[in-house]
Amino acid sequence: DGGITQSPKYLFRKEGQNVTLSCEQNLNHDAMYWYRQDPGQGLRLIYYSQIVNDFQKGDIAEGYSVSREKKESFPLTVTSAQKNPTAFYLCASSPRTGRTGELFFGEGSRLTVL
Amino acid sequence: DAKTTQPPSMDCAEGRAANLPCNHSTISGNEYVYWYRQIHSQGPQYIIHGLKNNETNEMASLIITEDRKSSTLILPHATLRDTAVYYCIVRVREDTGGFKTIFGAGTRLFVKA
Repeated sequence: DGGITQSPKYLFRKEGQNVTLSCEQNLNHDAMYWYRQDPGQGLRLIYYSQIVNDFQKGDIAEGYSVSREKKESFPLTVTSAQKNPTAFYLCASSPRTGRTGELFFGEGSRLTVL
Repeated sequence: DAKTTQPPSMDCAEGRAANLPCNHSTISGNEYVYWYRQIHSQGPQYIIHGLKNNETNEMASLIITEDRKSSTLILPHATLRDTAVYYCIVRVREDTGGFKTIFGAGTRLFVKA
């Protein structure tokens, strides 16, 4: 079945370590997004990519990095420069063109930094 | 980017219609209004979207005012499973042809038996 797969679902890391969260989609969507969600809060945009080998910073990109070497994959690295990395991370994709632009979300990755 | 304003929470009795308002007074002519909902600790789920006309699908109806400065999501017969956070957002088509989506805090809907 088509969809978005995020892994791992839960992740624990020590402070100061870099962490990479995986996001894979088989929907043939051009655009992919990373959001961060803190308890009781809405989603905040970290990075997004409209096409392979291109990506743009969102509202809270500091301390994060991404790559888009393949259309299907958009991994997010949480670096040691991110001051408060414990959060719920959501990946999404959408068709780049077309009227709808509907976002399809993965199930999320919950990162806890000890 | 256009911003949206929603009440932080609402209650609704099971079986009754849930009407969730959203203000987007700075929306421009090419911006669509989208609604998503998020059940606890899951990814948001698309509900419906519109530009000018009212829209209806199997999940909900979307009523957009004539001036497009506000809209209302209607769940015609709310069930306990509709308890979730509902996000009203606008998507801006960028020069590159893609979309940038900004989420607000949403409305937490409690459906009560």
